[in-house]
Amino acid sequence: NAGVTQTPKFRVLKTGQSMTLLCAQDMNHEYMYWYRQDPGMGLRLIHYSVGEGTTAKGEVPDGYNVSRLKKQNFLLGLESAAPSQTSVYFCASSPGTPEAFFGQGTRLTVV
Amino acid sequence: DQQVKQNSPSLSVQEGRISILNCDYTNSMFDYFLWYKKYPAEGPTFLISISSIKDKNEDGRFTVFLNKSAKHLSLHIVPSQPGDSAVYFCAAIEGAQKLVFGQGTRLTINP
Repeated sequence: NAGVTQTPKFRVLKTGQSMTLLCAQDMNHEYMYWYRQDPGMGLRLIHYSVGEGTTAKGEVPDGYNVSRLKKQNFLLGLESAAPSQTSVYFCASSPGTPEAFFGQGTRLTVV
Repeated sequence: DQQVKQNSPSLSVQEGRISILNCDYTNSMFDYFLWYKKYPAEGPTFLISISSIKDKNEDGRFTVFLNKSAKHLSLHIVPSQPGDSAVYFCAAIEGAQKLVFGQGTRLTINP
């Protein structure tokens, strides 16, 4: 059982470039989340989804878009990357219980 | 506005002694509180949780205490072991299954 898998694990982008982070879960969970972790800030929710075809904004959604076309996948897009988006990104999924399961993270650097 | 706060960025404890990690919150509507543990280069993993209708939950060496009147929870680890060295995040959840995290506390267990 792979759990929650994030692709890629590392990426360096130039300012203005675009990219998509992929999150895949094999646990048939309804809920999926994207968080970013920054020093001294904890994990902050970017966007989340309560089921296939649904998305909603979290605490820090600006500059990001998401899609949940399939239940097992949750994509996070950066249309025009900025240095302020340098962070570690975590995807998580949940069956609807309080406990969420996290992926290993994607370290993104925007130069 | 930080709804979940961990005011101690770091904590150092002797092996075998008790580790106490603290967390404060402002939103009285939170239903569940959770603690996550995070090692470097890994995603957070669930450790223990407590419902807002309880004041204590115990799982082996880990106990979480909730004081609703003070809007405060704490995680006790007894006895502390070197493998407990990690960053611990306090989190809270309300209704729509959105986890809100604190800033994290880095726990170091010294031999």
